[in-house]
Amino acid sequence: GESVGLHLPTLSVQEGDNSIINCAYSNSASDYFIWYKQESGKGPQFIIDIRSNMDKRQGQRVTVLLNKTVKHLSLQIAATQPGDSAVYFCAENIRDGGATNKLIFGTGTLLAVQP
Amino acid sequence: SAVISQKPSRDICQRGTSLTIQCQVDSQVTMMFWYRQQPGQSLTLIATANQGSEATYESGFVIDKFPISRPNLTFSTLTVSNMSPEDSSIYLCSVTQGATEAFFGQGTRLTVV
Repeated sequence: GESVGLHLPTLSVQEGDNSIINCAYSNSASDYFIWYKQESGKGPQFIIDIRSNMDKRQGQRVTVLLNKTVKHLSLQIAATQPGDSAVYFCAENIRDGGATNKLIFGTGTLLAVQP
Repeated sequence: SAVISQKPSRDICQRGTSLTIQCQVDSQVTMMFWYRQQPGQSLTLIATANQGSEATYESGFVIDKFPISRPNLTFSTLTVSNMSPEDSSIYLCSVTQGATEAFFGQGTRLTVV
């Protein structure tokens, strides 16, 4: 369940456009998914989450869509701003034999917002 | 939300030496997690640290290389032992609050020369 990848995929968008970042997850038993934003030199910051019994959840300027049939997660950012430039990670929550939850991270996507 | 402080924020170390990274949380938490993030890559879980018991290591990580302490509910340390350049990475501490939401420290950027 470890993430692999030598190069981060990059999404380049114009300021004001909408961004869609995609993620494929591996474990059909995952019950909870989270999107994180990581700016340079900082730890990951929680953006939005969604439970496996939902297919859509909206926050402020962000929407997460979950398609369990194809194990796909997406993060939509409306009216993208320069401050949204960062690496975005999806993470799936897995219960490890009982009470322990652990997060398995996807490979990440670098979002570059052009002014 | 939890506030997590990590020390040091960065360090440059000689190969063969060891570095201990500290993680301090502003509230009591049951589980603390240590991650590694190699350059340009995602986060990989090293181990889960519960207070009062030995840490649980993920596949590919062993206690001799990454000993962990968890003396109380607000503090943990991760030691990177007998370092080599391949250990150059960002090491991150995280905690969960509520069911699953995880909060991260700012990370420790380690360079081994």
